[in-house]
Amino acid sequence: DGGITQSPKYLFRKEGQNVTLSCEQNLNHDAMYWYRQDPGQGLRLIYYSQIVNDFQKGDIAEGYSVSREKKESFPLTVTSAQKNPTAFYLCASSTTSGPLAEQYFGPGTRLTVT
Amino acid sequence: DAKTTQPTSMDCAEGRAANLPCNHSTISGNEYVYWYRQIHSQGPQYIIHGLKNNETNEMASLIITEDRKSSTLILPHATLRDTAVYYCIVSGGYQKVTFGTGTKLQVIP
Repeated sequence: DGGITQSPKYLFRKEGQNVTLSCEQNLNHDAMYWYRQDPGQGLRLIYYSQIVNDFQKGDIAEGYSVSREKKESFPLTVTSAQKNPTAFYLCASSTTSGPLAEQYFGPGTRLTVT
Repeated sequence: DAKTTQPTSMDCAEGRAANLPCNHSTISGNEYVYWYRQIHSQGPQYIIHGLKNNETNEMASLIITEDRKSSTLILPHATLRDTAVYYCIVSGGYQKVTFGTGTKLQVIP
């Protein structure tokens, strides 16, 4: 089945540690995205990538880093510089042809930093 | 992308139609209207999109006003599994899609 996988579902880290969240897709989509969601809030865009080896900052990129070495993979690193890293992180992908913005989302990773 | 305004929450009786409104008065000619929903603690799910004509699929119908300044998502026979947060989004491209806080729909037995 085609889709997006994120792992792990739950992640716990100590403050001051970097942590990398995995996102893999087998939909052959060129574009991939990372969002952050806080309780009761909408989604905020962290980073997005339109093509391999290229990515752009979203609205809240500070304290995060990404890489796009393969079309299928778009890992997100939450660095120790991120002030409030505890949140629900969602990865998505989409095609880049035409005006469509239909995004397919993964199940999310809930990160807790103490 | 144009900004959207949605009610914070709505209730709907099970089996009845759920009509979720969205205002997007600043929409431009090349922007589409998209609807997603997010069931608690899951990733958002695409529902439907449209440009200026009404659209229908197996999940829902989308009614867009003639001036395109507002739209309504219709779930024809709401079930308890339709309880979710529904996001109305306006976008002209794939690069950046802004999700607001959406409408929390509660389907009541």
